[in-house]
Amino acid sequence: AQSVTQLGSHVSVSEGALVLLRCNYSSSVPPYLFWYVQYPNQGLQLLLKYTSAATLVKGINGFEAEFKKSETSFHLTKPSAHMSDAAEYFCAVSDQGFQKLVFGTGTRLLVSP
Amino acid sequence: GAGVSQSPSNKVTEKGKDVELRCDPISGHTALYWYRQRLGQGLEFLIYFQGNSAPDKSGLPSDRFSAERTGESVSTLTIQRTQQEDSAVYLCASSARTSRLYEQYFGPGTRLTVT
Repeated sequence: AQSVTQLGSHVSVSEGALVLLRCNYSSSVPPYLFWYVQYPNQGLQLLLKYTSAATLVKGINGFEAEFKKSETSFHLTKPSAHMSDAAEYFCAVSDQGFQKLVFGTGTRLLVSP
Repeated sequence: GAGVSQSPSNKVTEKGKDVELRCDPISGHTALYWYRQRLGQGLEFLIYFQGNSAPDKSGLPSDRFSAERTGESVSTLTIQRTQQEDSAVYLCASSARTSRLYEQYFGPGTRLTVT
């Protein structure tokens, strides 16, 4: 079975600082990996996804993630945080066969001025 | 275009009552998914539909939970004899196909509170 671990339920950064949100996965098959963002009272929005092409994936709003098979990681980064980045971020892995997503428990990003 | 919509946005019910949650997927999307998000936890898969068929119901937590879908349109998640542990946000998503190549688009969710 596939699973995802997100380290840190809360991450606090200052505006302009580097954002690093950690995600490690477990999968017995080549994984597809996703990062979603959830703003308050809204549904999830796809930030980016890894589908076995390039290991460095660029997404919306300046975010990117690097797939590292040796470390079973897919960490999300952004060079400079904006106040508008404050939200909850979920890492997910797709199940084999159909597209059921297995989610991590989420990381809430707090951005201070 | 219109995204995935869910209704109601909030539902408060008494323990033991039945509730129905509705999802309207994006037009033309054949795949539809239900997830549950309990406080402080990640999203938990419940069930998915390919058309109006539900090949995998393994995520439904108990036989009090059921879901149906009319054609490739509206889906309803029904919880009978609600319990307090059913309190959660129920999220619906749709995608063009049931393949991980196709993005899932999520609705805003229904927040269910069982008192």
